[in-house]
Amino acid sequence: GIQVEQSPPDLILQEGANSTLRCNFSDSVNNLQWFHQNPWGQLINLFYIPSGTKQNGRLSATTVATERYSLLYISSSQTTDSGVYFCAVERGANDYKLSFGAGTTVTVRA
Amino acid sequence: ETGVTQSPTHLIKTRGQQVTLRCSSQSGHNTVSWYQQALGQGPQFIFQYYREEENGRGNLPPRFSGLQFPNYSSELNVNALELDDSALYLCASSLWNTEAFFGQGTRLTVV
Repeated sequence: GIQVEQSPPDLILQEGANSTLRCNFSDSVNNLQWFHQNPWGQLINLFYIPSGTKQNGRLSATTVATERYSLLYISSSQTTDSGVYFCAVERGANDYKLSFGAGTTVTVRA
Repeated sequence: ETGVTQSPTHLIKTRGQQVTLRCSSQSGHNTVSWYQQALGQGPQFIFQYYREEENGRGNLPPRFSGLQFPNYSSELNVNALELDDSALYLCASSLWNTEAFFGQGTRLTVV
């Protein structure tokens, strides 16, 4: 199956700092999503971004499908940004499950 | 528009018992997928249902089974529970081949 690698595994930030999370995938994909998992376990949708660039407030994401990677940018981080960030991809072509990376755990300190 | 809802939120079962988890999909969605998330790991695909038919299955044993109903809600059934089945179970709904939205999950503990 498709391999999804996220880096770094852990990230500690001072409030106000900027950061970049990376997601590499091993095959072409039909769909790519970024999620933030809250402390209660729910996956919150951040971006649906199979290609291109999107922005939502302090967060933005870029997917370069031809080079098989995606980046999630967090600017002016806040303590509420803490948590685990997951990248998930879907291959399409009769394979419509989401394959997740292992996640990046972000800790933002006041 | 209501989101994806799962029930119950927490559950404790004894090894060997059976359990049923439920998921109501988001209004207008026709596809439901189930995922198992062990502590410290990313979610792993269990199976997917599209218009009441199973449309793909991961690597979990046949003890894990499911259903999708005409209103597109879904159940996950697990028979003969084992200690390793303790995990967060997540349900996602979508329109076919589009953005998936997750419920809050059911945290199952097997003792």
